[in-house]
This record gives sequence, C-alpha cells and structure tokens, in this order.
Amino acid sequence: AQKITQTQPGMFVQEKEAVTLDCTYDTSDPSYGLFWYKQPSSGEMIFLIYQGSYDQQNATEGRYSLNFQKARKSANLVISASQLGDSAMYFCAMREDLIQGAQKLVFGQGTRLTINP
Amino acid sequence: NAGVTQTPKFRILKIGQSMTLQCTQDMNHNYMYWYRQDPGMGLKLIYYSVGAGITDKGEVPNGYNVSRSTTEDFPLRLELAAPSQTSVYFCASSPGRLNTEAFFGQGTRLTVV
Repeated sequence: AQKITQTQPGMFVQEKEAVTLDCTYDTSDPSYGLFWYKQPSSGEMIFLIYQGSYDQQNATEGRYSLNFQKARKSANLVISASQLGDSAMYFCAMREDLIQGAQKLVFGQGTRLTINP
Repeated sequence: NAGVTQTPKFRILKIGQSMTLQCTQDMNHNYMYWYRQDPGMGLKLIYYSVGAGITDKGEVPNGYNVSRSTTEDFPLRLELAAPSQTSVYFCASSPGRLNTEAFFGQGTRLTVV
C-alpha cells in the first residue's frame, strides 16, 4: 500500500518569500503519480500540481513547482513569491490502484501554511 | 461549468438518524468516489464506483452505503448516524487514470450530536 508522510504540521512564512513544503512517500510500484492539493479555510480541495514517476522533468505550474527526488522518495512543493492568499492547508497525495481502472488518492496529514504580511 | 456538485453543504444529525448525501457530476466521468476528512487529517476513501451499477468499498465503509444507478449520480447513505461520523465528506470524479487531477465537490460538513 502507498504511504504519504508530511512532517511539518505548520509553517509560518513572510509574504514574498519562497516556501518549501515537505512530502515523502513509500511505494513498491514502479509507476506512480504524486499530487498536491490546497485546502483554504473555505474547505474546498484545489488541485495544484501533478508529477508522474516517469516524468523526465520536475512539474511546474505558475508559482508552484515540485522538487521530485526519486531516489529519496520525496516530492516537495515549492511556492515562489508567497502571497497572503497562499495561507491554507496543503496536502500531498499519491494514487493507488483499485479495481477495474479506478484509482484512489492516498493523502498525507497535511501542512498548515500561514503567510505573514 | 458545474463539475461535481454536492448537497447539502452543512447538516446536523441526531444520533440514530439517517440521511443521504447527494453527489452529481456533469462531466460524464465513469469513476466516482466518496472520501471523508476528519479534523486535522487527510481524506480517506469510503466507497467508490467504476460505472453505473458497480460499486466497491474503500478504507472506511462501515456505517455507509452507496448506489450508482446513473453515470451522473453517486449518493452516499448514512444509516443510524453516530458521533464518529462527524466529518467533512467529499465526492470526487475522474474520467480514468489519475494522470491529472481528480475533480472534487465543495464538501458536506456533517455533525452528529
């Protein structure tokens, strides 16, 4: 079974600084996918970025990038030039196969990021 | 674009009551999922469906039932509500393999008292 570990329960960062949120994973599958989701105080789950295990380059989406280190089994999220609106809970997740092509997401416990003005 | 729609957004139930959480998607996705999120935790899978008429249990199915009579709808039924079912419930859908995002509904915050 897949496992995701996020070791930072909370982080505090000054506005405009870059921030790195840690995520390590455990799997025996050679093919896997890693996701980051943002959950603001309003509660919805907002997809940020995806990294496939065979992708040659680290994924980037605007201010978000994923520092993927396969040998270390880590997939850290980097947010550049943080903004007050980045304050939220952030979840790292990995997909796991179910029956007939279905795949679930296995989530870590999350990191609560607070951006200070 | 509606995407995945959940109703209600909030609900308070008394112990022993029953209710159905509704989930509808308009993207013609085959795969639909129900997750629950306990305070300060990540999401855990309750039930999922691979298409109309086919459902299966996830990690935490006890106390819940599902049905999938159409591609669009995937309701979650709580029978005999218990305080342990106080949680935020998310419905999600995907067209196939999760090579990109799973589409989540807005969530239903349920309190059992």
